[in-house]
Amino acid sequence: TQLLEQSPQFLSIQEGENLTVYCNSSSVFSSLQWYRQEPGEGPVLLVTVVTGGEVKKLKRLTFQFGDARKDSSLHITAAQPGDTGLYLCAGAATITDSWGKLQFGAGTQVVVTP
Amino acid sequence: EPEVTQTPSHQVTQMGQEVILRCVPISNHLYFYWYRQILGQKVEFLVSFYNNEISEKSEIFDDQFSVERPDGSNFTLKIRSTKLEDSAMYFCASSEAEDSEAFFGQGTRLTVV
Repeated sequence: TQLLEQSPQFLSIQEGENLTVYCNSSSVFSSLQWYRQEPGEGPVLLVTVVTGGEVKKLKRLTFQFGDARKDSSLHITAAQPGDTGLYLCAGAATITDSWGKLQFGAGTQVVVTP
Repeated sequence: EPEVTQTPSHQVTQMGQEVILRCVPISNHLYFYWYRQILGQKVEFLVSFYNNEISEKSEIFDDQFSVERPDGSNFTLKIRSTKLEDSAMYFCASSEAEDSEAFFGQGTRLTVV
C-alpha cells in the first residue's frame, strides 16, 4: 500500500496571500488526483495529473506532478475566503490499480480569512 | 452536470440491524466504488465493482459487507449486522473507465447506536 503524506496539516492565511500544499510518497503513482472536501460532503475532483513534471492550472490554482511521479503540489495564488476547505490528494493504491481505487492523504485544511 | 447521488443523506440504525446504502452513479460510468470516512480520519477504499462483480476489496470489506447492482441505475452497499465502529460517512463513486477519474457522491452519514 502506498502512503500519501500531506503537509502541512493545517494552513491559515489572509485573503490575498499565496499558499502551497504538498503531497509526498515514496512510491510511484500512475496518476494523482486532487480533491477538495467541504464538511459533511463528498470529495470534489479538482484535477488529475498523469505525466511526470506536468503542470496544470485551474484559474488561481496550479498543480504540479513531480518528475518521478512520487509527489505533487498545489499552489493557490491570491487566496480568497472561498478557497477555504480540506484539500486531499489521492492516487491509485498501486501502479496497476484502476484510478478509482484510491489511496487518500489525510488532507490539508486551508482557512482563508478576509 | 451529471453527478453521483446517494440516499439517504443520514441514516441512524441500532447495532445489529441491517442497512442498505443506495447510490445512483453517473449514467455512462462503468466502474463503481464505495469508500468510507470515519470522523476525523482519512477516506478509505472499501470495494470496486465492474461488470456486475467485485473487482477488488479492502481488508475492511469483510463478510458483513456486500454490494449489488440490482438494476441498471442503482448501486447498493449492504451491511448485514451493523457495529458501532461502522459509524462513518460512506461515499459512492463512479468512473467512466479504469483509467479515468472517480467522481464522488455527497455521502451517507451512518450512525450506529
